[in-house]
Amino acid sequence: SQQGEEDPQALSIQEGENATMNCSYKTSINNLQWYRQNSGRGLVHLILIRSNEREKHSGRLRVTLDTSKKSSSLLITASRAADTASYFCATGGGSQGNLIFGKGTKLSVKP
Amino acid sequence: DSGVTQTPKHLITATGQRVTLRCSPRSGDLSVYWYQQSLDQGLQFLIQYYNGEERAKGNILERFSAQQFPDLHSELNLSSLELGDSALYFCASSVVGEPLYEQYFGPGTRLTVT
Repeated sequence: SQQGEEDPQALSIQEGENATMNCSYKTSINNLQWYRQNSGRGLVHLILIRSNEREKHSGRLRVTLDTSKKSSSLLITASRAADTASYFCATGGGSQGNLIFGKGTKLSVKP
Repeated sequence: DSGVTQTPKHLITATGQRVTLRCSPRSGDLSVYWYQQSLDQGLQFLIQYYNGEERAKGNILERFSAQQFPDLHSELNLSSLELGDSALYFCASSVVGEPLYEQYFGPGTRLTVT
């Protein structure tokens, strides 16, 4: 079953614009991770934010985490056509190491 | 390139058949995870192994089984295949089996059951 729910399900923007994707989850977590998947290919890890962190940056990516609202956001600044992909949030928690994924946001960046 | 390899890339087989998917984790990673991605169910965790031992089970059907060998590669066996088993199967690895670490995904095996 899905733990995270991304919003929106699909997002279409122009190159150079910023893209914001949101993720909500249900249970307590140790960390939240964002992954990118190009069409039909493997997932690529983007960034991990721990439950005691509120914000994290990596290049053009900015992730925030609000554990009181059980939500996270991923901001991609100055988007490029190459950012076109599906983006998933995934939560890790409990004693098991597996991740629980949301359904993803499909981002389309038009040149 | 994540360093995780999966074979085969594509597999087409008939209902009722049995297939084996293979995964080699990144060098040094002890934990292997299997996930299934389908259009209707999204990405679902199937099973985790850590240093040869089963660590956690997710939504894995009884017709599916897996193992991790002493050299840490893993195999996922799918038997009595049904049309609904058609999906992308991903293997991922991480350094340890704790939820604090990122996972590295292989390119996946696309299984088509006809």
